[in-house]
Amino acid sequence: DARVTQTPRHKVTEMGQEVTMRCQPILGHNTVFWYRQTMMQGLELLAYFRNRAPLDDSGMPKDRFSAEMPDATLATLKIQPSEPRDSAVYFCASGLVLGANTGELFFGEGSRLTVL
Amino acid sequence: RKEVEQDPGPFNVPEGATVAFNCTYSNSASQSFFWYRQDCRKEPKLLMSVYSSGNEDGRFTAQLNRASQYISLLIRDSKLSDSATYLCVVNKGGYSTLTFGKGTMLLVSP
Repeated sequence: DARVTQTPRHKVTEMGQEVTMRCQPILGHNTVFWYRQTMMQGLELLAYFRNRAPLDDSGMPKDRFSAEMPDATLATLKIQPSEPRDSAVYFCASGLVLGANTGELFFGEGSRLTVL
Repeated sequence: RKEVEQDPGPFNVPEGATVAFNCTYSNSASQSFFWYRQDCRKEPKLLMSVYSSGNEDGRFTAQLNRASQYISLLIRDSKLSDSATYLCVVNKGGYSTLTFGKGTMLLVSP
């Protein structure tokens, strides 16, 4: 069964530390999304890549967050420096978009981040 | 008005009941609509797409009302395993992304 793989599954860190989350999308998918989920805000889009090119990162705080896709098998989301308000579950999702239509998104199991 | 709005619930229903959720969206140019399901502490998974003519998948029926800008999900003969949060998802089309509602929680009790 093909699936999106995320690491780490859980991360506890102290304020000010750098956090890097990694995602391996499903082979053959051409879009990758990073979402953040909290009880208050629900799922918020942070970044969106199509064919490894960033298309939308308007939801991401640029001063501390960065997202990259160094190759088709790896997407990263980095927070530097981390703050307590960054505590959330970070989901990576991938999908195959044909033309203008967005099909099903497949989510990873998420990275649960706690910043003390 | 938020892009996608849902009643957070929870909806508490007994097994066998029929329950319906609505979701409103603000952008009249939205083109694609979906319902995702998220179990507690798990990732969201696609439940069903919502087509203009309405569609059914077993006990689940989804409908779209473009004039009033809402979509609905009807669950018949509720099972305990239907307990989850149901996320309404809207796509504006083109290269835009999916926008998720905050979800409606359903609790089915014996």
